[in-house]
Amino acid sequence: AQSVTQLGSHVSVSEGALVLLRCNYSSSVPPYLFWYVQYPNQGLQLLLKYTSAATLVKGINGFEAEFKKSETSFHLTKPSAHMSDAAEYFCAVTRNYGQNFVFGPGTRLSVLP
Amino acid sequence: NAGVTQTPKFRVLKTGQSMTLLCAQDMNHEYMYWYRQDPGMGLRLIHYSVGEGTTAKGEVPDGYNVSRLKKQNFLLGLESAAPSQTSVYFCASSWGTWTGLNIQYFGAGTRLSVL
Repeated sequence: AQSVTQLGSHVSVSEGALVLLRCNYSSSVPPYLFWYVQYPNQGLQLLLKYTSAATLVKGINGFEAEFKKSETSFHLTKPSAHMSDAAEYFCAVTRNYGQNFVFGPGTRLSVLP
Repeated sequence: NAGVTQTPKFRVLKTGQSMTLLCAQDMNHEYMYWYRQDPGMGLRLIHYSVGEGTTAKGEVPDGYNVSRLKKQNFLLGLESAAPSQTSVYFCASSWGTWTGLNIQYFGAGTRLSVL
């Protein structure tokens, strides 16, 4: 069975600092990986996805993630945090690219002025 | 273009009452999903549908039923609500596996409290 671990339920960074949100997955076959963002009282929006092409994936709002098979990781980064990045971030994995998405528990990002 | 619309946005039920949550999408997507979101647990898939007239169980289907009579609508029913079903419910839709672009689009959610 697939699973997703997100280290740190809450991460705080200062405005302008590096954002690093961690995601590790377990999957018996190469997975498809996603990062979603959820702003308060809203649904989830796709930030980026990995679909076995380039291992470094660029998404919206300056975010990017790197797929590292040897570490079974798909960490999300942004060089410089902005106040508007404060939200909850979810990593998700699916094996068959259509069904049975498995979401991680989420990481709430706070950006301090 | 509304995307994915969920109604109602909020609802309070008493234990044992029934209700139906409606999800409507205007993107002609084949796949539709119902999730529940609980603190510290991320999103868990309740039921999903890969096309009109078809439904399948997800990770946490007990206590819920679904129907997909029309391609654009996916209904989630609670026949006898329990306090454990207090949650935020999200509907999502996507094209399907064959297009290679199976991005899920989410609605804004329904906050349900069962007293």
